[in-house]
Amino acid sequence: EADIYQTPRYLVIGTGKKITLECSQTMGHDKMYWYQQDPGMELHLIHYSYGVNSTEKGDLSSESTVSRIRTEHFPLTLESARPSHTSQYLCASSEYGRGAGELFFGEGSRLTVL
Amino acid sequence: AQSVTQLGSHVSVSEGALVLLRCNYSSSVPPYLFWYVQYPNQGLQLLLKYTSAATLVKGINGFEAEFKKSETSFHLTKPSAHMSDAAEYFCAVSGSGGTSYGKLTFGQGTILTVHP
Repeated sequence: EADIYQTPRYLVIGTGKKITLECSQTMGHDKMYWYQQDPGMELHLIHYSYGVNSTEKGDLSSESTVSRIRTEHFPLTLESARPSHTSQYLCASSEYGRGAGELFFGEGSRLTVL
Repeated sequence: AQSVTQLGSHVSVSEGALVLLRCNYSSSVPPYLFWYVQYPNQGLQLLLKYTSAATLVKGINGFEAEFKKSETSFHLTKPSAHMSDAAEYFCAVSGSGGTSYGKLTFGQGTILTVHP
């Protein structure tokens, strides 16, 4: 069982609010990722990190930002939420090397912006 | 550049029947290929992976997949479906070297329904 946790699981919030989605893992993985998932659509990588103080944007442009101050923690922030940000956000982590393709996912944070 | 196409957004089978979920990939480098499963209200879980060793890969819960380079395919099969197999299945590809590790490109998913 994967030891990666996301909070909140569900969030309904009004337009213009600032939100932070939390992601923590206890596996000591250096690599962490945020994917965005819409119903019936493929997952899109929006952010990733190779380690502390390393963050990169993924393939899908996103207005969100991330930080990696500690190995185990990779929060995602939206400064001003909009209805277009409504989606499910999945956090994942992996090892370096040949194990890197095996991602361990959290249960997701489903965000609804009214 | 890499991409994944899953043929069929919904597949329905009877309990005990063969499960076949199709995945074709495109990759400019030797690929690593993965199948993940997502149960309702949960994150994704790795079913199996191909990383250039044996072309027939066995995974958890009785699933297996065969890498066919000539057909650029990585179809997922299970000889006998069980009700607990009902879920959404995602095929994914990554590059096999350097910073490509872990940066998966996912297909759009196939929802598997199993009828009694």
